[in-house]
Amino acid sequence: DAGVTQSPTHLIKTRGQQVTLRCSPKSGHDTVSWYQQALGQGPQFIFQYYEEEERQRGNFPDRFSGHQFPNYSSELNVNALLLGDSALYLCASSLAGLLNEKLFFGSGTQLSVL
Amino acid sequence: EDKVVQSPLSLVVHEGDTVTLNCSYEVTNFRSLLWYKQEKKAPTFLFMLTSSGIEKKSGRLSSILDKKELFSILNITATQTGDSAIYLCAVGSYSGGSNYKLTFGKGTLLTVNP
Repeated sequence: DAGVTQSPTHLIKTRGQQVTLRCSPKSGHDTVSWYQQALGQGPQFIFQYYEEEERQRGNFPDRFSGHQFPNYSSELNVNALLLGDSALYLCASSLAGLLNEKLFFGSGTQLSVL
Repeated sequence: EDKVVQSPLSLVVHEGDTVTLNCSYEVTNFRSLLWYKQEKKAPTFLFMLTSSGIEKKSGRLSSILDKKELFSILNITATQTGDSAIYLCAVGSYSGGSNYKLTFGKGTLLTVNP
């Protein structure tokens, strides 16, 4: 049973560029959430997708956007990259509904913006 | 704004010591408190607590939640070098009906020396 998988594992970009990160949820899960973890900080909630729609969003600018596909996989897009976007981006999956509150995390994509 | 505060931020102990990690929170629509262990990249689930005063145990690790005082502790007895990691506390909350998300603290970096 595959867990949450993310690609790529590492990425180096320059300021102003755009990046796309990918996530496949754990088998049987239908909800995907994205988190940003800066060095020395805890993960911060970016947004959550369910039924191919953004259901809730954290305090992140519109440069951060996402998508969920019919097979529940998801993408995170970041436009006009800033140095401050350098971080570990974590994808978490879960099953929608009350009492399904344990999130399973992938190993993340380490993004470096130069 | 939801807030989760962990203390201490870092801790160095010797093998065999017992440690207590603290987590306090201020969250609207609290549902659950979760502890994760982050060794390299992917946070791995340890415990989820929803009821006050009930201790959860798994081997040398245990955790308890106080919903009145809004805090939780994670205890690790007879520490081993393999316990070295960042321990993340997260609080789960609902907004807009069924939209669930985790708010994380900054984590406690535990180093266990032989």
